[in-house]
Amino acid sequence: DIQMTQSPSTLSASVGDRVTITCRASQSISSWLAWYQQKSGKAPKLLIFKASNLQSGVPLRFSGSGSGTEFTLTISSLQPDDFATYYCQHYKSYPWTFGQGTKVEIK
Amino acid sequence: QVQLVESGGGVVQPGRSLRLSCTASGFIFSAYGMHWVRQAPGQGLEWVAVISHDGSNKVYAASVKGRFTISRDNSKNTLYLQMDSLTTEDTAVYYCAKPTIVLDFWGQGTLVTVSS
Repeated sequence: DIQMTQSPSTLSASVGDRVTITCRASQSISSWLAWYQQKSGKAPKLLIFKASNLQSGVPLRFSGSGSGTEFTLTISSLQPDDFATYYCQHYKSYPWTFGQGTKVEIK
Repeated sequence: QVQLVESGGGVVQPGRSLRLSCTASGFIFSAYGMHWVRQAPGQGLEWVAVISHDGSNKVYAASVKGRFTISRDNSKNTLYLQMDSLTTEDTAVYYCAKPTIVLDFWGQGTLVTVSS
C-alpha cells in the first residue's frame, strides 16, 4: 500500500500569513493527489485534485503543486474561514490512503 | 443538487453486525462508483471500500476485508455497507462519498459506536 505522510501535524498561523503544507508519498503517484479541508464535525471538502487543479468554487488563495512523491498545498493569505484540518489523499491505485492530517490553528 | 444521506449508525456490541445505508439524489446514481470512508473519534480519514457503478467490482481496505460488504441497489439509489464481526476499532463516523474523479461529494456521516 502507498503511505502518505503530511507535515507538519499542527501549524499555528495568523490571518494573512502564507501557509504551506507538505505531503509525501511512499512511492511515485504521478499527479494522482487530492487535498481536502475538514472543519470540526463536518464532512471533508475537496479543494484540489490531480495535484494542482482547483475544485470549482474553491478560493484562488488555495493552490497545489508537486508530482511523483512530494506535494504541497499553499494558502497564499490565510483567512479566518481557513482554520481547519487539511488532508492529502492519493488515488493512483486501491487502496486509496490519506495523510494523517495537518491542523491549522490560530496563532 | 447532489445529496448523500447516511443512516443506520448506532451503538452495537463487539462481535455483532450493523448495516449502513446511503441514499443518493441529485445525480444519476447508477452511473457512478461509490465509496465509504470512515473517521475514528479525533483521528484522521480512512478509506474503507469502493463499488463500481453496476456493483460488479468491489475493493476493500485490508482492515475490513472479509468482515464488511459493500453493495448497492440502483433501483433505490441506495448504497449499503454491511458490517459484521465488529470490533471497538470500527468505532467511527462513516461517510459515503461520490467521486467524479476523486471524492467531490460527501454525506454528513453516521456514527457507529462499538461498545459492550
